[in-house]
Amino acid sequence: QVQLQESGPGLVKPSQTLSLTCIVSGGSISSGNYWTWARQPAGKGLEWIGLIYTSGSTNYNPSLKSRITISVDTSNHQFSLKLSSVTAADTAVYYCAREWTNWGQGTLVTVSS
Amino acid sequence: QTVVTQEPSLTVSPGGTVTLTCAASTGAVTGAYYTNWFQHKPGQAPRALIYSTSNKHSWTPARFSGSLLGGKGALTLSGAQPEDEADYYCLLYCGGAWVFGGGTKLTVL
Repeated sequence: QVQLQESGPGLVKPSQTLSLTCIVSGGSISSGNYWTWARQPAGKGLEWIGLIYTSGSTNYNPSLKSRITISVDTSNHQFSLKLSSVTAADTAVYYCAREWTNWGQGTLVTVSS
Repeated sequence: QTVVTQEPSLTVSPGGTVTLTCAASTGAVTGAYYTNWFQHKPGQAPRALIYSTSNKHSWTPARFSGSLLGGKGALTLSGAQPEDEADYYCLLYCGGAWVFGGGTKLTVL
């Protein structure tokens, strides 16, 4: 079964860019339809961030669209999220998932100086 | 952007039945919303239960079922177990974007 693992810095300074990678194992990143990111601030609900289709096209949450870039690196079996100009409101547990079926364990990213 | 609304909290007795709903601000939820349901426990990854309104994953317990009910997406739990206590989220595909509901905290008591 496909397994996913998020990786990246746990602390990012305000106004900087948050960068996370999701490493895919147990299956090909070229399989399936799309790969997606979501997040959950402490004490709040889940929020969809965006996704990338295996074709390479993307679909982003309109409320975050101006700050997001999602890309895929098929040779290294991973896909990535970049969120620019972060503020404290971007502090959350970030999850990657395959077609909403298989999820990573999540990684906490704190935005603080 | 569409707002998706769920009951903030529900309580069910062990062995009992409960239905969680998922409403869209734009109107009735139909099959075109590809409703997904997830179970989320603290410190764990969300677990997919239902996709495309009523389809179960191979690991979804038989006591969970998905449907459309009164213009809303619905998740019915029949024969609640203590381990079903968790947060439940629905996810709708609305006009080209995915939108999560606010979540329902289900207590089995």
